Amino acid sequence: GAVVSQHPSRVICKSGTSVKIECRSLDFQATTMFWYRQFPKKSLMLMATSNEGSKATYEQGVEKDKFLINHASLTLSTLTVTSAHPEDSSFYICSANGPLNEKLFFGSGTQLSVL
Amino acid sequence: QKEVEQDPGPLSVPEGAIVSLNCTYSNSAFQYFMWYRQYSRKGPELLMYTYSSGNKEDGRFTAQVDKSSKYISLFIRDSQPSDSATYLCAMKRGATSGSRLTFGEGTQLTVNP
Repeated sequence: GAVVSQHPSRVICKSGTSVKIECRSLDFQATTMFWYRQFPKKSLMLMATSNEGSKATYEQGVEKDKFLINHASLTLSTLTVTSAHPEDSSFYICSANGPLNEKLFFGSGTQLSVL
Repeated sequence: QKEVEQDPGPLSVPEGAIVSLNCTYSNSAFQYFMWYRQYSRKGPELLMYTYSSGNKEDGRFTAQVDKSSKYISLFIRDSQPSDSATYLCAMKRGATSGSRLTFGEGTQLTVNP
């Protein structure tokens, strides 16, 4: 299957700092990528849809100024958590539809802990 | 009512058992059906994919889709402790780059040695 690479896998930061998470499609081009947030023992919550070359589409209730998304190329999307606070601590996962757009492939996730 | 309903479990079975995981859905427009396995603190891994109704088998795993009943299943034969994970059903309407998945809540499975 298609490979989606996500880095870093874990980050610990101080309150008020910004954290950038990268998501790359390694063997295919992804015009659209999706960013999810997951709380312990809960399902995935879609945060935003990242579109190459245009602005991201955010789900209701997600602060676009807090979660900055950039999709500058067909293989890279980034999520920046700005001025992170402890309540932003969570597991963040990116994904992309594979070459035929039938199957969705996920990155390995990033555990963010804000102290 | 949620679009996709999945029993969250937890489900605990002995090694070697046959496991049956199920989801029901309400939207008849769903055409693409997937099962993901997620280990703790890892991204979901695509396990099975089915388009429209029918069965698909891959090793110890069998996925079934019954669109007339709006019901999908995942069977795991000869379950192993390494199968212990959360299983998520997911489905979507179309196959475009922007088509998004609707997930079930996930079923937590433990296979005891």
